[in-house]
Amino acid sequence: QVQLQESGPGLVKPSETLSLSCTVSGDSVTSGSYYWTWIRQPPGKGLEWIGYIYNGVSTNYNSSLKSRVTISVDTSTNQFHLKLSSVTAADTAVYYCARTCYYEMSGYCWGQGTLVTVSS
Amino acid sequence: QSVLTQPPSASGPPGQRVTISCSGSSSNIGSNTINWYQRLPGTAPKLLIYTNNRRPSGVPDRFSGSKSGTSASLAISGLQSEDEADYYCASWDDSLRGVVFGGGTKLTVL
Repeated sequence: QVQLQESGPGLVKPSETLSLSCTVSGDSVTSGSYYWTWIRQPPGKGLEWIGYIYNGVSTNYNSSLKSRVTISVDTSTNQFHLKLSSVTAADTAVYYCARTCYYEMSGYCWGQGTLVTVSS
Repeated sequence: QSVLTQPPSASGPPGQRVTISCSGSSSNIGSNTINWYQRLPGTAPKLLIYTNNRRPSGVPDRFSGSKSGTSASLAISGLQSEDEADYYCASWDDSLRGVVFGGGTKLTVL
């Protein structure tokens, strides 16, 4: 049973880079069968898919965020990371890391989420 | 504005059957599978139904999913108070090349 736990600063200043980590237990982040994903939910709004990394190197990002997003893996710590640059108040959200539960497009198993507020 | 359309709310008394709809288009539901999530208050979303109508281990068979054309439905029979939650649908979108979600439906057990 995979378990995922987000970590990172809860407060980020406007124009800076948001950086979050997801610690994985019960699986390897380089496992070729799963999509390691970030999803967010701004307060009072719907869920927004940010993107994924697959097989440790292949990435795919939401086109609306693509110019600002990087998702990467660290095999030494079995973590995967999210970096979102040039943040504004609109990036304030609960950020979730997730993994496809069974196979491609089979839906996600989620971490508990972490709130990131963008404010000076 | 979410790509997939869900009613913002649904309700029913204990024991009743309720359905939640999810409407999309040919680029998402019409050509890909749909997944449903349940988010209980104060918790992260949990996978409830995957690949249109499959239940993960531990999900009661009171929950069922179906898909037809560019729409899908989640049915909950024998409503229980612990079913009060937000429910979200999601699917891959071939045009956007990403996962899209519904806006969520808040279920109230009267």
